[in-house]
Amino acid sequence: GQSLEQPSEVTAVEGAIVQINCTYQTSGFYGLSWYQQHDGGAPTFLSYNALDGLEETGRFSSFLSRSDSYGYLLLQELQMKDSASYFCAVDSGYSTLTFGKGTMLLVSP
Amino acid sequence: DTEVTQTPKHLVMGMTNKKSLKCEQHMGHRAMYWYKQKAKKPPELMFVYSYEKLSINESVPSRFSPECPNSSLLNLHLHALQPEDSALYLCASSQDRGGKTYEQYFGPGTRLTVT
Repeated sequence: GQSLEQPSEVTAVEGAIVQINCTYQTSGFYGLSWYQQHDGGAPTFLSYNALDGLEETGRFSSFLSRSDSYGYLLLQELQMKDSASYFCAVDSGYSTLTFGKGTMLLVSP
Repeated sequence: DTEVTQTPKHLVMGMTNKKSLKCEQHMGHRAMYWYKQKAKKPPELMFVYSYEKLSINESVPSRFSPECPNSSLLNLHLHALQPEDSALYLCASSQDRGGKTYEQYFGPGTRLTVT
């Protein structure tokens, strides 16, 4: 079976740094993705890690450790518009993604 | 063009109605997906089409019937739905790289209410 664990909610203030962790147990693994979804909107792709290490894209970075079945999304210089749900998702290689339950990030002034 | 479009945006239907949801992409993606999403839950995979053939059906009830008329279009036909089927229905597409899914592009969704 597939299971992904991530915190249900994280709160932070504008300008801060926040890390959203994701641990997974899957029968197959090709990579870990992160998606952002604003309330009422569609999920949008943020990052994909296939190999161990840190990938940086602007204010967002994503990390993967395959040996620990663990990854995280790091958001820097938080802005109010970053308030959203963040999903980690495992690519198991069957043209599908298995999503975690999502982390709601609340950014306050 | 990196857009997936879906129509209609909102749909209210009775339990005896037949309706269809439509999805279109022009990115040349050969994998297309239907997801169902309830409030404050992750997207739940329903169907996967790969090269216009149904490759995955996640044990979805037969009142949901997918169709892929060509490589750009994906439909979801709805019949005799139940109130618990009310949800956001998301379409997505991705390049089919031998089963690996690097990035899925999602449409804005259809908000379905079954009365």
